[in-house]
Amino acid sequence: EPEVTQTPSHQVTQMGQEVILRCVPISNHLYFYWYRQILGQKVEFLVSFYNNEISEKSEIFDDQFSVERPDGSNFTLKIRSTKLEDSAMYFCASSVERSTDTQYFGPGTRLTVL
Amino acid sequence: DAKTTQPPSMDCAEGRAANLPCNHSTISGNEYVYWYRQIHSQGPQYIIHGLKNNETNEMASLIITEDRKSSTLILPHATLRDTAVYYCISRALNSGGSNYKLTFGKGTLLTVNP
Repeated sequence: EPEVTQTPSHQVTQMGQEVILRCVPISNHLYFYWYRQILGQKVEFLVSFYNNEISEKSEIFDDQFSVERPDGSNFTLKIRSTKLEDSAMYFCASSVERSTDTQYFGPGTRLTVL
Repeated sequence: DAKTTQPPSMDCAEGRAANLPCNHSTISGNEYVYWYRQIHSQGPQYIIHGLKNNETNEMASLIITEDRKSSTLILPHATLRDTAVYYCISRALNSGGSNYKLTFGKGTLLTVNP
């Protein structure tokens, strides 16, 4: 069964450093998403992406964040200058369509900012 | 999207049916009810979704009341591996708009006991 994959599984970085989290969505999916979950808190939406454009973003997704689909398979989330409060699990998801179609999530990347 | 209300926790004996309730009294006619679960900080896993009719798949059954103000997720024979946080999420059907995100609440922690 096709799955969303994410790398790395765990990323440790120093405050102020740039990080890139990588995702490979399910191959025939067209819509891509990033969510995050701070330890002990809810899963929060960050951004949705379609046709090489951001479709929607949350208040969390400020200028420090960017997304990109650099090739036909990868979908990346970049944090330019990490802060301590960026420490969280980051989940990528993808769906075929947008409206009611099911979003399938990857296993997540645990980001630890020291 | 309509707000959903779930009990914070439930217990179930292994092998018995687990019935997880969800209230969504303000749901509108174009909103689906989705169920996901999250096993110990793994990525959310899709379970099932429905609009008006009851639904069943290999994982679970979804019973939606006739007035659509509440629903119940049924795991027919719970196993220890079903211990997880279960999220009930309402999501609008969109045709050309945005707002494709899933809004997660705190969910119900289901503990399956041996």
